[in-house]
Formats: sequence, structure tokens, C-alpha cells
Amino acid sequence: QSVLTQPPSVSAAPGQKVTISCSGSSSNIGNNYVSWYQQLPGTAPKLLIYDNNKRPSGIPDRFSGSKSGTSATLGITGLQTGDEADYYCGTWDSSLSAGGVFGGGTKLTVL
Amino acid sequence: EVQLVESGGGLVKPGGSLRLSCAASGFTFSSYSMNWVRQAPGKGLEWVSSISSSSSYIYYADSVKGRFTISRDNAKNSLYLQMNSLRAEDTAVYYCARGIYGDGYYFDYWGQGTLVTVSS
Repeated sequence: QSVLTQPPSVSAAPGQKVTISCSGSSSNIGNNYVSWYQQLPGTAPKLLIYDNNKRPSGIPDRFSGSKSGTSATLGITGLQTGDEADYYCGTWDSSLSAGGVFGGGTKLTVL
Repeated sequence: EVQLVESGGGLVKPGGSLRLSCAASGFTFSSYSMNWVRQAPGKGLEWVSSISSSSSYIYYADSVKGRFTISRDNAKNSLYLQMNSLRAEDTAVYYCARGIYGDGYYFDYWGQGTLVTVSS
């Protein structure tokens, strides 16, 4: 059971837009910044979004992030078949057992 | 170019020990915190442990506390994870990841991972 909650899967057609939600609590998302990671099949995770809504160099602006309260959202527009991957949200948890926490991951299928 | 290369994975019996290594290059290793993140077969990511740049601050997931020890050697640009009392549920690909303190804390570079299998 992951600390952060994501939908197991989402799907959309090429060219469409999709959003992936990530729900947490006041000890993690509510008081910390969120990052998002893309994991293509058989590869290591890759940073997609950091500090809620910032994109590292080289990440296209089709990818966006937002946060409100104890939830965060990843948005992907202009879907491409190459976007098919698992997406994970992550943050720091400031509870007694302080440490990194991730969502369970969302499998994106581009139909 | 930032590179993180893990090694040391393999097959180990329950109750056994293993030491993972992560060789870093392409950046000033001593200036960054480092992390271990694992992924069980077919499962999601699980953060395991973090160590600050000077080893002053160390954190562990509850699932490995008391069994795993993270360490680093800044002179050798290397990160380590000593894993003792291994259990079947520790079976996973273990990734080394660089940590960044922006407004928040995130992992900007990841290694390719090393597979640890705990089985009799």
C-alpha cells in the first residue's frame, strides 16, 4: 500500500490530453513539493516535473504539474505513442517516519 | 554527463547479506545527497534510504530500518547500501538516485539499477 494514491491506469487517444492524480496528506503533499517521474518499459525512472510544476531541461511543455492542498496532478497534452509509460508522483513525508514517498504508479496507455 | 552505475546485486538466501555500490561520475559527488530507491518485480517505486552530502543526515524507510545501512565515500565518488537479514520481500531492482534540494526534494538522476533476489 503506497503512501500516495494514484489511479492504476489511464488511457487516451493520440493527440488528446490526460491527467493523472496523486493524493496524499498534510504530512507529505500538504506541506512539501511534489515531483513526477516517467518510467518507460524496462528503463529507470526519469524526472519529469519537480517543485510541483517545474520542468527539467529537455522535458517538453506538453507535460505540466500542479498542486492544490493535499493533491497533485500531472497533465500531458498532445499525447504520443511514446508517452506510454508508468508515471509516479513523489514527495517527502515529514511525519515521525520521515522519508521519501511515492505513489503506486499509473500506467498510461495511448490507444 | 551525470552517470550513476550500480553494482553488487545477485542471488542471496533469506537471512543473508549483500552490499550494493553506486559509482558516480560527471558531477561533484560530495555536494549532493544520495538515495536508494527499489522496485519489486511488477510493482511501484519504494524509497529506501537517503544520506546527506557529508553523511550528517541519514534516513531509512521503516521496512529496512535496523537491517540496511547507507554510507558513502566522497573520496571515491561512491554510495553504498549494506543489506543484512535479507527477506524475500527485499527482492527488487535497487536504483541509486541523486537528490536535489530545490523548493522541495526530488531525484534528478537515476542509475540503471541492480537486481537483488532473495530466495532459497
